[in-house]
Formats: sequence, structure tokens, C-alpha cells
Amino acid sequence: AQSVSQHNHHVILSEAASLELGCNYSYGGTVNLFWYVQYPGQHLQLLLKYFSGDPLVKGIKGFEAEFIKSKFSFNLRKPSVQWSDTAEYFCAVNAGGKLIFGQGTELSVKP
Amino acid sequence: SAVISQKPSRDICQRGTSLTIQCQVDSQVTMMFWYRQQPGQSLTLIATANQGSEATYESGFVIDKFPISRPNLTFSTLTVSNMSPEDSSIYLCSVLGAGELFFGEGSRLTVL
Repeated sequence: AQSVSQHNHHVILSEAASLELGCNYSYGGTVNLFWYVQYPGQHLQLLLKYFSGDPLVKGIKGFEAEFIKSKFSFNLRKPSVQWSDTAEYFCAVNAGGKLIFGQGTELSVKP
Repeated sequence: SAVISQKPSRDICQRGTSLTIQCQVDSQVTMMFWYRQQPGQSLTLIATANQGSEATYESGFVIDKFPISRPNLTFSTLTVSNMSPEDSSIYLCSVLGAGELFFGEGSRLTVL
């Protein structure tokens, strides 16, 4: 069965620290990959997506993610986080036409 | 992009009752999805609703508990039947557009 695994449940960083959130998926077919963000009290928003081509994709607000096919991974990165990045981050895979989400990683950024 | 409106935005319900959530999209879409986000957890797909056919339910979800209607290409409803406190959750309607999933703001249900 398809699944998405996010390595960290809760990450706490200080402002200006670098961020990397891990995401691994289990699906044998062609995948589309996504990172969504949910700010406190708000609905889900798309950060970035990968369909094909350059495996390093850039999203909004300085986020980027790298698709490594051999590792079935799609890790999210940001060189320098801000307090406003405090949110929950979800990795998702479009597997056969439906989106499967990971468990989510709560990011807390200390000012 | 798609704009999705859900009603109600929140409700408090008594055990044993049923509640229907409405989802309205501002454009015609083929596939609509219903997700559940339980407190502190990720999104779990309940079912896929296509217009003109019965909804397709994911493992662990059944039509008797979560009946879905899809009368046209812009509207869908999800009913949570015979509710228990375990059904307290945010229920989200979403649509697929240009390979991206768009979400409504969700309906937060609390079952007492």
C-alpha cells in the first residue's frame, strides 16, 4: 500500500537556523510530490510540488525540496527559518490519482 | 486555482446524531475528495467523489457511516452518521486542479 513517512513529529529551531524535514514515500509508480503548510488556524496551502524535470524544486517563502528517486525521498529545506515559519508541514504523494499525506511535522521557530 | 466553500465551518453535535457537510466549488471539477484531520494528526482520505457515480471509499471508511452525494460538478456533501466522540475532527473537502489539491477551510465537528 502507498504510504508517506515524515521523520520528525516536532522540530524546534531558533530563527536563522537551517531547516530540513525528511519525507519518504512508498509507491512503485510515477509520483507527483508535494509539500503543504498549515499555519495556525489556517487551511492547508501548497508550498511546492514536483512533477518531473529538475529534481530540485523551489517553492514559496524560500523553501525548496529535492526529489531523490533512488531513496524515495522528497526532503524539504530552508536555509534560514523565520518565526513566521512556525506551522505544520505535510508531505504528500499523488499515488494513482489520490493524495496520500504524511503524518505531518510541527515546526516551532523561537524568536 | 479553485475556491472551495464549506458549511458549516464548525458545529457541536450530540452523540448519535448525524450532520451533513456541504462543499461548493467555484468551478466545475471532475474529482472531489473528502479528508478527515483528527486532532493532532495528519489528513486521512475518506473517499473520492465523482459526479455521476458512487463514491469510492478508502479502507476503514464505509458508505453507511459517511454517505456522500455528488449531484453536479460543483457540489458535494458528506454526512457523518450516528456520531460518536471519536468522530470529532476537521472534515475537509478538496479538489484536484492542474495537479494540485486545493482545500476548503474545513468543517470542525465536536461530538459530545
